Amino acid sequence: SYILTQSPSVTVAPGQTASISCGGNNLGAKSVHWYQLKPGQAPLLVVFDDSDRPSGVPERFSGSNSGNTATLTIRWVEAEDEADYYCQVWDSTSDHPDVVFGGGTKLTVL
Amino acid sequence: QVVLQESGPGLLKPSQTLSLSCNVSGDSIRWGNYYWAWTRHHPGTGLEWIGYIYGNGNTYYNPSLKSRLTISVDTPKNQFSLRLKSLTAADTAVYFCARGHSGYGRIDYWGQGMLVTVSS
Repeated sequence: SYILTQSPSVTVAPGQTASISCGGNNLGAKSVHWYQLKPGQAPLLVVFDDSDRPSGVPERFSGSNSGNTATLTIRWVEAEDEADYYCQVWDSTSDHPDVVFGGGTKLTVL
Repeated sequence: QVVLQESGPGLLKPSQTLSLSCNVSGDSIRWGNYYWAWTRHHPGTGLEWIGYIYGNGNTYYNPSLKSRLTISVDTPKNQFSLRLKSLTAADTAVYFCARGHSGYGRIDYWGQGMLVTVSS
């Protein structure tokens, strides 16, 4: 089965830029989606199809995907951005597509 | 606006069977290029995909749970359900139902989640 690898944690100061990476074999050939998960809340889709942003998500959130790495970038980080972030792909290489999540990255805002 | 809401028991004992339902409003389960999924979030760990079902009843399960899992759909009620048997403490988690897009697979609507605790 397909595996997505994320660093466990990222720490940034308010106003700085956070980069959260997601690694996978030939990941650039897949569409990557990113979710924000805060305690007691439902996951929130913040980037889909590598770099598109759902309506209502601040422009500070952006994404890219190339080679074996996808990246979620959060500019001008705010305290409210502190959360766990998960990447996800739809692995359709087998006869039954699997939903695959990365292990998650905890973003801490100092 | 699509709204999903989980319902079911919050506390079960080891070896029992978990039954959760997800009521969907604002969209029809029967139609559209969507899949209807269950995921869970273990305390202190990550998101885990459980399985999903299409409106036509086709299902796809996480291989690690397949032997204990049944997902079904009730299109007249616009609901889909999860049944997980032979519970252990490792099944303690927040369970989410969600709507995903076929094709590239993004999940755009989620339920609020339901904490299920397995304890004797």
